[in-house]
Order: sequence, then C-alpha cells, then structure tokens
Amino acid sequence: DTGVSQDPRHKITKRGQNVTFRCDPISEHNRLYWYRQTLGQGPEFLTYFQNEAQLEKSRLLSDRFSAERPKGSFSTLEIQRTEQGDSAMYLCASSLGPDRANTEAFFGQGTRLTVV
Amino acid sequence: AQKITQTQPGMFVQEKEAVTLDCTYDTSDPSYGLFWYKQPSSGEMIFLIYQGSYDQQNATEGRYSLNFQKARKSANLVISASQLGDSAMYFCAMREGGDSNYQLIWGAGTKLIIKP
Repeated sequence: DTGVSQDPRHKITKRGQNVTFRCDPISEHNRLYWYRQTLGQGPEFLTYFQNEAQLEKSRLLSDRFSAERPKGSFSTLEIQRTEQGDSAMYLCASSLGPDRANTEAFFGQGTRLTVV
Repeated sequence: AQKITQTQPGMFVQEKEAVTLDCTYDTSDPSYGLFWYKQPSSGEMIFLIYQGSYDQQNATEGRYSLNFQKARKSANLVISASQLGDSAMYFCAMREGGDSNYQLIWGAGTKLIIKP
C-alpha cells in the first residue's frame, strides 16, 4: 500500500496525558499537512511542512501541540497535557509540490483521539 | 464569512437515482480550485473530483460530475446512478491560488444516505 498511513487509528487517553501520532506520507510527496476534524464538521488546518521545514501553523495549534518532520519523510504530532476539547479526528495529508490551485492532497485514514 | 458553504446537512436518496450535493464558495482570488472528497465511516478522505477556476468545461470522473457555475460561485457535485456504497459524508473544499498557498478550506459536509 503506497498511500498515506497514520498510526494509531484510535487512541483513548486520560486528560492530562501526552499523546503522539505518526503520519507516513506518500514517499515522493514533499508536502505534508495536519488537519483536525471534530464530529459533524469539515477538517480544519493545523500545520504544514515542506520537506522538513514547518512553514505554517494555525492559531488552532496551541503551545501544547507540536509537530515535527525531522527527515522530511514521516511526521509526528504531539499533544501535551491533553484536554477533553482535543478529542477529534486528526488527519494527515500529503501532496507533491509546488502547491497550485489544482494540487490534490491525499489523506490518510486519520487518528481518532478520545480524551476521557 | 464562510468561504465554503454546504447547505444540506443530510440527504436520503433512493438507490439508482441521481443526486446533487450543493456547494457555494466565496473568494476574490481569480485562481482557485474546487475539490470534492468522500469520507466513509472508516474516516479516510477520498478525492473524487477537481474543478479549476479557469476550466472551460465541467469536470467529470466516472459517475461524478461537477456542475460549475462560476458567476453564481457554485460547484455542485452530481452523482449519477447512486449506489449503496455511495453512503458517506461528502465535503466540498477550495484551495486559493498563489505559490505560497497550501491549505484546503472545507465546508461542513453533507451526509448522504442511499436507500435500497
């Protein structure tokens, strides 16, 4: 399977704990995106990497959130001191740059986080 | 102001009938792209069809077609001969033009249920 893969698919954690998610993009894709999707809503942009450089972070990404893409391949998204409001589906997508209006993003199956 | 508006939270359609999912958008950028994605219960965002702002003809991909009315800023998705497997959430999204643009802006989605 050469699509975008995310791990884990589901995560249940207690409030206050730290969690880390992993995303493996399509191998030749240099762009990687993280989105968050709450129930009944469309995805909201969180952050974006071009190769290993994190070029943009949404205001939604509080100080408790950090994302890395150390070698320009896989990426991790860490949430520290989780809160119940962090419960959502976290989607990763990748694309082959440069980004133009017609650039298609390919999505993984997401990691569903539940904070109890 | 909402940049992508999907006015139908949910739709029920009889199998084999055609269905139109509405999407209106708002942008002042002359270069933009419009995307439709399908999200089944498994969570993965599946790309369906793309329409560019400068495209002269409406996009088609198999049973999917996009009714693009630029003056009205609408980009409705038409699914012909609906199948039970079409039951899912459908999202309209837009990417505005420009070299530095990277994020998709999403609507709230329409839940489509196909009845046998």
